[in-house]
Amino acid sequence: DSGVTQTPKHLITATGQRVTLRCSPRSGDLSVYWYQQSLDQGLQFLIQYYNGEERAKGNILERFSAQQFPDLHSELNLSSLELGDSALYFCASSVPVAGANYNEQFFGPGTRLTVL
Amino acid sequence: AQKVTQAQTEISVVEKEDVTLDCVYETRDTTYYLFWYKQPPSGELVFLIRRNSFDEQNEISGRYSWNFQKSTSSFNFTITASQVVDSAVYFCALSESNFGNEKLTFGTGTRLTIIP
Repeated sequence: DSGVTQTPKHLITATGQRVTLRCSPRSGDLSVYWYQQSLDQGLQFLIQYYNGEERAKGNILERFSAQQFPDLHSELNLSSLELGDSALYFCASSVPVAGANYNEQFFGPGTRLTVL
Repeated sequence: AQKVTQAQTEISVVEKEDVTLDCVYETRDTTYYLFWYKQPPSGELVFLIRRNSFDEQNEISGRYSWNFQKSTSSFNFTITASQVVDSAVYFCALSESNFGNEKLTFGTGTRLTIIP
């Protein structure tokens, strides 16, 4: 158990709909990353937040947005859903590694989104 | 831009055989980190190893070993005496040393099947 929680575990919805995926980082971790694992695109980085602010952006569609709240949990909002958005969405939170100029990422169990 | 190539899409071996998973990476950075993750059928991402670009020592952990060669930009993973529980998809990943933004670039994964 990484200590990162994601809800819901599974989500089934229809094309055109909007969903929200939630991530709670490990206690004290300020940074949250979102990744998408789809059949077409593989595992790819979407976006990172640090202490409420967007820090880095990857291949995130304009229909997708994210935010990080004052309690540090994060939400990934997916709108106008298409069949191709069906994927496993991972959240990770990170903490500095002692003695290294690096932050270790810990992955949550993922949310499996199915768009019908 | 970073890139990770896992040329082996699928590998099947009989239990107790040794198997090596290949990983080739591209980066312009002189400081970077390499990773291997395991994704069992249950879907979670299991961290196996992190190696920084200044540490070319090979590592062994039980039946697992990793061979890092900067000269060929490779970070290969060997499982000795494979077991059925090793059946999973294995991902190699790369992170540039950008403290505070350690987004991971993943390869496409190698699906390993251990035949009993």
